[in-house]
Amino acid sequence: DIVMTQSPESLAVSLGDRASITCKSSQTILHSPNNRDFLAWYQKKPRQPPKLLVYWATMRASGVPDRFRGSGSGTDFTLTITSLQPEDVAVYYCQQYYRHPLTFGGGTKVEIK
Amino acid sequence: QVRLVESGGGVVQPGRSLRLSCAASGFNFGKYGMYWVRQAPGKGLEWLALISYDESNEYYGESVKGRFSISRDNSKNMVYLQMNSLRADDTAVYYCVKGVEEVVDINYFDDWGQGTLVSVSS
Repeated sequence: DIVMTQSPESLAVSLGDRASITCKSSQTILHSPNNRDFLAWYQKKPRQPPKLLVYWATMRASGVPDRFRGSGSGTDFTLTITSLQPEDVAVYYCQQYYRHPLTFGGGTKVEIK
Repeated sequence: QVRLVESGGGVVQPGRSLRLSCAASGFNFGKYGMYWVRQAPGKGLEWLALISYDESNEYYGESVKGRFSISRDNSKNMVYLQMNSLRADDTAVYYCVKGVEEVVDINYFDDWGQGTLVSVSS
């Protein structure tokens, strides 16, 4: 199985500051023939289903503010919130869809400092 | 728009069975793989099961393999999760999820139901 490891487990950031979350896969999730990384990021708020933020490691989903940016390739990925807003308080998860079983990272809780 | 509505959750004793249902609408159901994902209290997201758009393939997470079974009825736009031999650690909110891309078995997810709570307790 591909293990997804997120860090940190939690972070507190001041409003307007940058928040960065890393996700590391235990093996490459880059599909060389099409040069795509099979990685997605989700935002999870209490009592709501997860919301897709980023797919193919760097593509922002429809309607997602441009302060959310995905980067990285191969085994190392980052989700950056460039200017934290109050509504960004949530838990963030990465997910690989390179092969079964589909696996998620353990989550990163983002709070306001 | 896409709508996924889960039902069937509730309180069940350890060792018993429960069947979750998911009613889908707003898309061509028969062309998409369907998934179940859960979140236990205070825990992260865990993918459980996939059934291919045409029922040709089923995949399961290790924690539920042999106990849970996914099925679908394309004539009714329904997907099911049969859960047997339930344990306390199966307590979670269970989400019905649609894959993004048609036909393919492996996917990321852009449409989720609101979830249904399953509590396994004596």
